[in-house]
Amino acid sequence: NAGVTQTPKFQVLKTGQSMTLQCAQDMNHEYMSWYRQDPGMGLRLIHYSVGAGITDQGEVPNGYNVSRSTTEDFPLRLLSAAPSQTSVYFCASSYLAGGFNEQFFGPGTRLTVL
Amino acid sequence: AQSVTQLDSQVPVFEEAPVELRCNYSSSVSVYLFWYVQYPNQGLQLLLKYLSGSTLVKGINGFEAEFNKSQTSFHLRKPSVHISDTAEYFCAVSGQGGSEKLVFGKGTKLTVNP
Repeated sequence: NAGVTQTPKFQVLKTGQSMTLQCAQDMNHEYMSWYRQDPGMGLRLIHYSVGAGITDQGEVPNGYNVSRSTTEDFPLRLLSAAPSQTSVYFCASSYLAGGFNEQFFGPGTRLTVL
Repeated sequence: AQSVTQLDSQVPVFEEAPVELRCNYSSSVSVYLFWYVQYPNQGLQLLLKYLSGSTLVKGINGFEAEFNKSQTSFHLRKPSVHISDTAEYFCAVSGQGGSEKLVFGKGTKLTVNP
C-alpha cells in the first residue's frame, strides 16, 4: 500500500493564481481531511469528508474548496491564492469518522504564495 | 469544543536523559487523547493514544503517556532519549462522539543533543 500520497511536494504561486493540491489514499478509508501547518500554530483543519459526495468545513475553510467524487481522492482547490495561504498542507485519512480513529498523514505539500 | 495546550514550544535535552513533554486539554465531554510525532520534512505519525481503560499508555519507540483526568493532562515521557527522537511532537484531543474532529496542540520541538 502506498498509504496517503500528495502531489506536488512543493509549489510556488503568484497572488491570484489558482491551483489544486492532490491527495489520494489506497486504504479504502471513508474519512479524509486537509490540514494546514503554520509555525507555532500546530495543525488546523481546513475541510473534511466522511465519505464520497460528503464534505464539510473545518476551522479555517475560507479561500479553499474541496470535493469528494471517489473514496480514494480528496483534492483541495485554492481559488485565488493569497500570501496568507503560504503554509504546509497535509492530507490525512482514517478508516471511519470519529475521534478514536487513527489518522494517517501524507508527506505534505509546501506552498509559497508570492 | 475541545482545546489543547502544549506548555513548552521547545525542549532541548542531552542524549540518554529522560524527557517529559507536557500536554493539558480542555473539554466539557469525555475525550480521546493522542500524541503524534513529526520527523523533519515528513508527515505526522501516531505515537500513542488513550481511548479508555488503563491510564498509562505505551507507544512506539519507548514512549509512554499518562492520562490524568483530574488534572486534565496527558504528558508524554521517555526515560532515555536518543538523537533519533529529535522531532516535533503534537498532542491532540477529540471528544467522544460519532464524528468528533481531532484538535491539535501547537507542538513541542524536542531536540536531543549529543
